[in-house]
Amino acid sequence: DAGVTQSPTHLIKTRGQQVTLRCSPKSGHDTVSWYQQALGQGPQFIFQYYEEEERQRGNFPDRFSGHQFPNYSSELNVNALLLGDSALYLCASRRGAGELFFGEGSRLTVL
Amino acid sequence: QKEVEQDPGPLSVPEGAIVSLNCTYSNSAFQYFMWYRQYSRKGPELLMYTYSSGNKEDGRFTAQVDKSSKYISLFIRDSQPSDSATYLCAMKGGAGGTSYGKLTFGQGTILTVHP
Repeated sequence: DAGVTQSPTHLIKTRGQQVTLRCSPKSGHDTVSWYQQALGQGPQFIFQYYEEEERQRGNFPDRFSGHQFPNYSSELNVNALLLGDSALYLCASRRGAGELFFGEGSRLTVL
Repeated sequence: QKEVEQDPGPLSVPEGAIVSLNCTYSNSAFQYFMWYRQYSRKGPELLMYTYSSGNKEDGRFTAQVDKSSKYISLFIRDSQPSDSATYLCAMKGGAGGTSYGKLTFGQGTILTVHP
């Protein structure tokens, strides 16, 4: 049983560009969350998707947007990249109120 | 002030030592408390999950929650080199509250257990 899978694993962008990160949840999971983890910090909640709608959002600007597809997979989009957006982006999934499982993350470097 | 404070360490101990990791928090709405372990270049994995105050034991790991003091701890007995990782505390509120769906993490403590 595959866990949470994320792609790409690493990517490098320049300031002002846009990026799309992808996530496939663990089998049977219907809720997907995204977290940003800066170097040496704990993960910070970006937003959560359930039934293809954003249900909850953390303290992130509108440059961060997302989508959930009918098969429960999800995308995170970041526009107008800043140097400070360099981080590990973690996707997590769960079923109902169950345990949250994390993927291994997409490491974004903004130059 | 951050909602969750965790001493980042780093913490270095000899094999076999008892390790104590701690977090304090300020949001009284938090009701669920978790400890995650994160190896280098990996995503966090859940170690312990507790609800409200009390103790929970799982093998060499014991989690304690003291809601009156807004303080949680994780103890690791007979620590092993394979326990070397970053340990993250995380919390969330109860159903119906604004902090229910999201986890709020501490900064993480880097632990090294040397042979």
